[in-house]
Amino acid sequence: EVQLVESGGGLVQPGGSLRLSCAGSGFTFSSYWMTWVRQAPGKGLEWVANIKQDGSEKYYVGSVKGRFTISRDNAKNSLFLQMNSLRAEDTAVYYCARIPQLGRADYWGQGTLVTVSS
Amino acid sequence: QSALTQPASVSGSPGQSITISCTGTSSDVGGYNYVSWYQQHPGKVPKLMIYEVSNRPSGVSNRFSGSKSGNTASLTISGLQAEDEADYYCSSYTTSDSLAIFGGGTRLTVL
Repeated sequence: EVQLVESGGGLVQPGGSLRLSCAGSGFTFSSYWMTWVRQAPGKGLEWVANIKQDGSEKYYVGSVKGRFTISRDNAKNSLFLQMNSLRAEDTAVYYCARIPQLGRADYWGQGTLVTVSS
Repeated sequence: QSALTQPASVSGSPGQSITISCTGTSSDVGGYNYVSWYQQHPGKVPKLMIYEVSNRPSGVSNRFSGSKSGNTASLTISGLQAEDEADYYCSSYTTSDSLAIFGGGTRLTVL
């Protein structure tokens, strides 16, 4: 059974940093692009960052470029999102998901809430 | 880049059919057959319902179907049921920034 479990969310002050993790199991992690998708309270979904199977290609939505870094450790079946210079508008539930094809997320984690507030 | 355009809400009675549209550009919806649709119940994780315009993942009811014409994709739900009441999001591969983009979401109400 495919499982994705996020961790690392919490309350952080504006300008602060947070690192999210996602542990994958039940599939060959290294064979898939992976992604982070976020959803602000009461709002829609937004693709945040995508990373290729071997980590050689990374893509970000414009609003997080230069502040967020996506990475992965295939040996540990893990996906990460380093978030720096956090802003109030980054407050959201962050989901990690498996993407067999860009634009298609077939398995999602339960999400982890990031709250940026003073 | 702006989100794909979806109607904010649609509604229908049990047993009826409804269609949700998703309009983009030639850089996303119109240029590639990589359109997906997701269902999200309140407080729940999004669920993939349609991928590559018209394909259903295993386990998704055949009451759900997808299509595309030009820069507009559509999700049709036939034989509406109360359990279909949820938010629906389209998504597409795109040539810009993040390589993928969502629509703003459509709230489906089953009357």
